[in-house]
Order: sequence, then C-alpha cells, then structure tokens
Amino acid sequence: SQTIHQWPATLVQPVGSPLSLECTVEGTSNPNLYWYRQAAGRGLQLLFYSVGIGQISSEVPQNLSASRPQDRQFILSSKKLLLSDSGFYLCAWSPQGYYGYTFGSGTRLTVV
Amino acid sequence: RKEVEQDPGPFNVPEGATVAFNCTYSNSASQSFFWYRQDCRKEPKLLMSVYSSGNEDGRFTAQLNRASQYISLLIRDSKLSDSATYLCVVSASWGKLQFGAGTQVVVTP
Repeated sequence: SQTIHQWPATLVQPVGSPLSLECTVEGTSNPNLYWYRQAAGRGLQLLFYSVGIGQISSEVPQNLSASRPQDRQFILSSKKLLLSDSGFYLCAWSPQGYYGYTFGSGTRLTVV
Repeated sequence: RKEVEQDPGPFNVPEGATVAFNCTYSNSASQSFFWYRQDCRKEPKLLMSVYSSGNEDGRFTAQLNRASQYISLLIRDSKLSDSATYLCVVSASWGKLQFGAGTQVVVTP
C-alpha cells in the first residue's frame, strides 16, 4: 500500500533562518506531489506541485521554493524565513490522472 | 470572489440528529468534487467523492448541482466522532484541487 511521510511534525524557527521540509511517498511510482499551507483558521493554499523529477510549478510567488530530486521525494525550502511563513505545511500525493489526494501528517511551523 | 465558498459554521448538532451544509464553486469547468474531513490540528482526509447523480456512503450523502454550482453534504444520525471541519474540494485546472476553508460541525451529547 502507499504511504506518505512528512517530517518534522513541529518546528520553531527564528526569523531569517533557513527551512527544509521533506516529504516522501512509498509504494507508488511517478506520483503527482503537492505542497500546501494552511494558515490558522484559513483554507489550504497550494504552494507548489510537481508531475515529475525536477518539474516544479509554483502557484504563489513567495519566500519559498520546492525541489523534487527523486521520483518520490519532495522538498520545501526557504533561505530566510519570515514571520508570515508560519503555518501548517502539508505534503500530498495523487496518482497520475486522478484527483484524489492523500496528505501527509503535516508540519506545524512557527517562525519567531 | 473565492473559488470555493463554505459557511464556516459552527453547526452545533445534537447527537443522533441530521445536519446538512453546502458549498458553492465558481469554476463551471470543474469536473471532480470531493468532501474531505479535517480533525483539529490534523491533516485532511478524503471522506467521499461526489458524483453527478449523488452518492451515499453510510450515513453520509453528497449531492452535486452543476447548474447552480453547489455541492452538499448531509450527515444522518450524527455521532460525537463526526465533530470535525468538512472541506469542500473542487478540481481546478490539471491535477489541482481548490479547497474551501471548511465548515465546522460540533456534535453534542
């Protein structure tokens, strides 16, 4: 069966520090991968999505970047965090051609 | 205008009662529709897909009205464990989903 792993679960980082969140999927190949952010009391905002290795599409210009160095690995990064980067970051995957997403357990990031 | 709009609630429901709520979407080209459930401080989980003819999954019934561009979810015989935020989800362009901000349901004893 397919599983998605996301870590760390919680993170407290100072303003201006770098960020790296990792997501991996097991049990499938060539998945579509997504990074979402959910601010407190808000809906999910799509940040990046990827249809294959090295293929990244950005939805919203911001202080973040994403990379997909391997088929089932998706990384969210920032060189310098802002207070506004705080939120609940969720990685998700779906099979090619199917819209149903499965989410990882999320990373709760607090920038202080 | 938001692409997917939901009444944030909360809908306070006595245990055993029925609750229903809608969401509206703006993209008339959307083809796929879902309801997700999100528990407090947890990731969203797929509750059910929504089909054009309407569909049931146990105590949950989903309806789609393409002409009016709204989706509904009905929960019968509410359980305490149904307390959660329900996210309305609509396909956007390729492979991407638009999420509503969610409707909070609180089932009380």
